[in-house]
Amino acid sequence: AQKVTQAQTEISVVEKEDVTLDCVYETRDTTYYLFWYKQPPSGELVFLIRRNSFDEQNEISGRYSWNFQKSTSSFNFTITASQVVDSAVYFCALSEVDNNDMRFGAGTRLTVKP
Amino acid sequence: GAGVSQSPSNKVTEKGKDVELRCDPISGHTALYWYRQSLGQGLEFLIYFQGNSAPDKSGLPSDRFSAERTGGSVSTLTIQRTQQEDSAVYLCASSLAKQPNYGYTFGSGTRLTVV
Repeated sequence: AQKVTQAQTEISVVEKEDVTLDCVYETRDTTYYLFWYKQPPSGELVFLIRRNSFDEQNEISGRYSWNFQKSTSSFNFTITASQVVDSAVYFCALSEVDNNDMRFGAGTRLTVKP
Repeated sequence: GAGVSQSPSNKVTEKGKDVELRCDPISGHTALYWYRQSLGQGLEFLIYFQGNSAPDKSGLPSDRFSAERTGGSVSTLTIQRTQQEDSAVYLCASSLAKQPNYGYTFGSGTRLTVV
């Protein structure tokens, strides 16, 4: 069974601080995909990144970076120099190739204060 | 359309009534998904449509829930005899193909409140 755990329910930081959102997953498959989505107050989920299980290279996109470590089954997300607009709920998700069900974590609510 | 469109955006209904929620996916997207997000919770998979194949209904929580997709495009999620525990945001998503290779595009959701 696939499972995604986001242990941090809520995080509050002050603008310009760096923040890391944790994601730990469980799967028996060797081929799988990991995702991060952002859900701002408007409610619409915004796709941020997709990573397949064979690509452990870390990725940086502007102020966002992702650290994928198969050894610890983690796919953590770091926001550098956070901004108020980063305030949202962030979801990590896992999909196995043969499943239609993309399993989401419970989400981490990030509040960035000015 | 440019994005995934869901209607209505909000629905308040009395317990025991039936409701229909509509999803208009991005044109050309063959895969369509319904998820449910209860307050403060993650997303719960409900059902998946891919082209003309039989849908994957494994996530539907009870037989009061059903969904159809007409002509490979618009989808309707129907909840019969609504209960208070059905209150949630129902999200629809579409993608070009089975999702592992493509990111989903989500709609803004329908917030259902059963009173």
